[in-house]
Amino acid sequence: AQRVTQPEKLLSVFKGAPVELKCNYSYSGSPELFWYVQYSRQRLQLLLRHISRESIKGFTADLNKGETSFHLKKPFAQEEDSAMYYCALGSWAQKLVFGQGTRLTINP
Amino acid sequence: DAEITQSPRHKITETGRQVTLACHQTWNHNNMFWYRQDLGHGLRLIHYSYGVHDTNKGEVSDGYSVSRSNTEDLPLTLESAASSQTSVYFCASSDQDGSYNEQFFGPGTRLTVL
Repeated sequence: AQRVTQPEKLLSVFKGAPVELKCNYSYSGSPELFWYVQYSRQRLQLLLRHISRESIKGFTADLNKGETSFHLKKPFAQEEDSAMYYCALGSWAQKLVFGQGTRLTINP
Repeated sequence: DAEITQSPRHKITETGRQVTLACHQTWNHNNMFWYRQDLGHGLRLIHYSYGVHDTNKGEVSDGYSVSRSNTEDLPLTLESAASSQTSVYFCASSDQDGSYNEQFFGPGTRLTVL
């Protein structure tokens, strides 16, 4: 079964502190993983995808097939990072399976 | 600029009524999707379409239907609204030949069923 698990519904860190949003997946094939972000009053948008291996807004995520994880990290949190973050698994036929989401709050 | 829009943005209806939520995209994408967003569940796929006259059931399709008469539109119909269908609904589209399944989302419709 295809499943994405984000164990933390809420995560609160102070500005300047490191951030790690956890994501674990279950998929029998070769996974394609994504992080989507939803800022307040904005639509859901793609933040980054594992195959690009890029850093967006200071965030990175490494696919660990052994641990079936795709954790999102940022070394120094900024207040504008406060948002809802969804990890998503690209399954067959262009569909996405989303995790439950993590609401990240950056405290000043 | 190409975009994806949803209407209405907010809707209040009564149990048992039929409701249709509109989704319109100008990306010329073949693939379109409907999700509902609920606390603790994330986004769950309701229905999806790979092109004109193609529709498929998703994870939570009971009580919902869609039709695809053209490339741009995928309206979502709640045949007989129930309180359990109170949610935020998102429409998304993607390019069939695009890379890496990136989906582009609409702004969402907040539906309340009383």
